[in-house]
Amino acid sequence: QSVLTQPPSVSATPGQKVTISCSGTSSNIGNNYVSWYQQVPGTAPKLLIYDNNRRPSGIPDRFSGSKSGTSATLGITGLQTGDEADYYCGTWDGSLSAPYVFGTGTKVTVL
Amino acid sequence: QLQLQESGPGLVKPSETLSLTCIVSGDSISSRSYYWGWIRQPPGKGLEWIGSIYSSGGTYYNPSLKSRVTISVDTPKNQFSVKLSAVTAADTAVFYCVRHGLSRVSGSYWLFEYWGQGTLVTVSS
Repeated sequence: QSVLTQPPSVSATPGQKVTISCSGTSSNIGNNYVSWYQQVPGTAPKLLIYDNNRRPSGIPDRFSGSKSGTSATLGITGLQTGDEADYYCGTWDGSLSAPYVFGTGTKVTVL
Repeated sequence: QLQLQESGPGLVKPSETLSLTCIVSGDSISSRSYYWGWIRQPPGKGLEWIGSIYSSGGTYYNPSLKSRVTISVDTPKNQFSVKLSAVTAADTAVFYCVRHGLSRVSGSYWLFEYWGQGTLVTVSS
């Protein structure tokens, strides 16, 4: 069971903006860097954001990340049909539960 | 361009040991200091980190699996492996091998930069 909570789903029409929240605790998000991963159905996850808000080379600036306290947020602007996927947050956890934990995952649907 | 490819049996019997290998191409596993790891995803469910190994051999494991998991590196063959013992149906999943990244800003290794395509392992008699 994941210790990071995300909404099961979000949806919007093309061109709009969506945000995905990731809620944790002081042992994980509160004191560590958050990454975000995109998983298009049937494919392996892809790193979208690391260090809370940094984008790897090749990731468009439509994707953004932020962190405040024990929560993190992924934003997607100018939503495209190709953005329809599952999104997961992840971070180091300093408690004994697991060194690294993923969020529950959020399905983004482009209407 | 670094590429990772999982290989191993797609079907394992209950109580037996699941063994998978990740073949690394496009770079040498020992050329630079990175972590290499395994992540699994049960069908229709979320991601679970299994464990990671440093290129020189140090390991981190998920405590929930630690008693059953071993991750090792074979530098001459440029590959790394995972073994999961005493498997049950609950271990049925797509297994991904990954290479951690390294943030040059924060110094954090805890980002999964490269992923294999994944391989489905079913535990069934």
